[in-house]
Amino acid sequence: ETGVTQTPRHLVMGMTNKKSLKCEQHLGHNAMYWYKQSAKKPLELMFVYSLEERVENNSVPSRFSPECPNSSHLFLHLHTLQPEDSALYLCASSQDLGSGYTFGSGTRLTVV
Amino acid sequence: RKEVEQDPGPFNVPEGATVAFNCTYSNSASQSFFWYRQDCRKEPKLLMSVYSSGNEDGRFTAQLNRASQYISLLIRDSKLSDSATYLCVVNWGNRDDKIIFGKGTRLHILP
Repeated sequence: ETGVTQTPRHLVMGMTNKKSLKCEQHLGHNAMYWYKQSAKKPLELMFVYSLEERVENNSVPSRFSPECPNSSHLFLHLHTLQPEDSALYLCASSQDLGSGYTFGSGTRLTVV
Repeated sequence: RKEVEQDPGPFNVPEGATVAFNCTYSNSASQSFFWYRQDCRKEPKLLMSVYSSGNEDGRFTAQLNRASQYISLLIRDSKLSDSATYLCVVNWGNRDDKIIFGKGTRLHILP
């Protein structure tokens, strides 16, 4: 496989469930990211892992928990989400800031 | 003032025409700039970086105006396949959390 792959593509979960989103990059990039895209809003950076350092957006609720076991894999653990968390969650990777991102195809999450 | 601002559109343009849209940014310390395109229900894909001297890639031309703090994207001889949302991205720091996305400009190419 090439590029950035995300699973699952679609996820419907109840507010009491626990689920995880998975991202894998095959590009040898140094940084990986989680973004949230809601309707009529710009992409919001959630978490960054860059050279094994995590940079965190302070506005991300604790019900979202990232995990980066190595430079190729990134997870987003979800628990007790709210309906307003329904959105497209995009994983991305980059070699460095100047080269731009490669995005995965995203996970469309619906919280019911 | 919003950090990165784009006209949401939609721009409805006949096939073959030339279309241009701008993106303004508020932070004069911004260092690098990009255009991404996003098709409906798909992920954003990097279209081109924007260099200080301007740059061209086929039918696409990107320019940077630091004095007025905007970047532009020009599409010549537009194709139906150019229909998408075009996202402006500005990086104003050395950290990844200083990368700001605009909301995007929707473009419809009409047959």
